[in-house]
Amino acid sequence: RKEVEQDPGPFNVPEGATVAFNCTYSNSASQSFFWYRQDCRKEPKLLMSVYSSGNEDGRFTAQLNRASQYISLLIRDSKLSDSATYLCVVLIRDTGRRALTFGSGTRLQVQP
Amino acid sequence: GAVVSQHPSWVICKSGTSVKIECRSLDFQATTMFWYRQFPKQSLMLMATSNEGSKATYEQGVEKDKFLINHASLTLSTLTVTSAHPEDSSFYICSAQQPGPATRVQYFGPGTRLTVT
Repeated sequence: RKEVEQDPGPFNVPEGATVAFNCTYSNSASQSFFWYRQDCRKEPKLLMSVYSSGNEDGRFTAQLNRASQYISLLIRDSKLSDSATYLCVVLIRDTGRRALTFGSGTRLQVQP
Repeated sequence: GAVVSQHPSWVICKSGTSVKIECRSLDFQATTMFWYRQFPKQSLMLMATSNEGSKATYEQGVEKDKFLINHASLTLSTLTVTSAHPEDSSFYICSAQQPGPATRVQYFGPGTRLTVT
């Protein structure tokens, strides 16, 4: 079983739509949580960190449920420029090792 | 945010040759750098953690003699793919981590696309 699981999509949505991505993680040593965005053939870029209290950055809202080991990302009022792959990323810290573990990503295609 | 560069951005080499990829933190000192590999339509997979002045820590299944890592300074880590084969063709991405309280944030380089023919 993968340590970080995401629905690969693709999610095809019209401009202006609201779309939600889900992610689950299995390692109880998961310490920090992030959403990254990766455009085709580019490096991943940090979109936002995710906190248990939930956090919002403009049109993006992230939620973390530690009890369910579940992370979500909500994008409101989708723009064409939001088309990308969204990576759920977990920082795992155990036995002296600290490493980012990436989900395989959820692809979003926003259509005009 | 901090800037990380990689060189080259893409490289084509013949099977059996070696390729060196450089990762530099341009405006900060990185005590730790990470090397990832990403195959098409797959997730980034951590290959190794590179600590300045000490040996790299490799992830399970990654051959240390094939993927040589050198982190000789606080701003430079290199990955050498030795005796490259077509199955080593991939997107290699490094990231660098600042020391201090913000240690959880990794800044990624733009990646190096390696094609072995």
